Amino acid sequence: QSALTQPASVSGSPGQSITISCTGTSSDVGSYNLVSWYQQHPGKAPKLMIYEGSKRPSGVSNRFSGSKSGNTASLTISGLQAEDEADYYCCSYAGSSPWVFGGGTKLTVL
Amino acid sequence: QITLKESGPTLVKPTQTLTLTCTFSGFSLSTSGVGVGWIRQPPGKALEWLALIYWDDDKRYSPSLKSRLTITKDTSKNQVVLTMTNMDPVDTATYYCAHHKSTVTMWAYDYWGQGTLVTVSS
Repeated sequence: QSALTQPASVSGSPGQSITISCTGTSSDVGSYNLVSWYQQHPGKAPKLMIYEGSKRPSGVSNRFSGSKSGNTASLTISGLQAEDEADYYCCSYAGSSPWVFGGGTKLTVL
Repeated sequence: QITLKESGPTLVKPTQTLTLTCTFSGFSLSTSGVGVGWIRQPPGKALEWLALIYWDDDKRYSPSLKSRLTITKDTSKNQVVLTMTNMDPVDTATYYCAHHKSTVTMWAYDYWGQGTLVTVSS
């Protein structure tokens, strides 16, 4: 099972919006509405930000939103803040495989 | 609240078997819809999913590592153990355990341990 494809890096200025894509296949992202997104600050454990494509866990800012179209899922962060600077990983259920992560995206807040 | 903590050796030699223990609190691994998984992250690299065990003892493994992995649970001790055989320097990574919820209200790894760094070197 190949890793999901994410851009290596994205950047934005405070207050702006950015979108991180996560491209899979018809065997994972395209077949299941079970994509989750994780935020990871340096030296820290990943933190769940979005689950089932677009749902936010309690306590996660509504500046974070998720969506999916075909084999590609997306994470959008609006009103960028300095504290959003981190690595972001997508993860999809893949049936028989059964979970696959993306390669990660480093978000830089300029 | 839910907490998980990984424990095990920090250094293993090539060809040895790694045994990691995840000790958790705040939930029971006999509750329907609950699982505990293992994910690793080599230094400076991406997360890689390894294995998961469900409340009903159903076990899932990464296809690429299946022959080397075994996951078990001890519900009475609130522990999940992962063994990985034939360790190689490329297996050097931080190993995380995580609580997985697979219910109608959520399907995700929602709580993670702090991780434990395992170095494979002679």
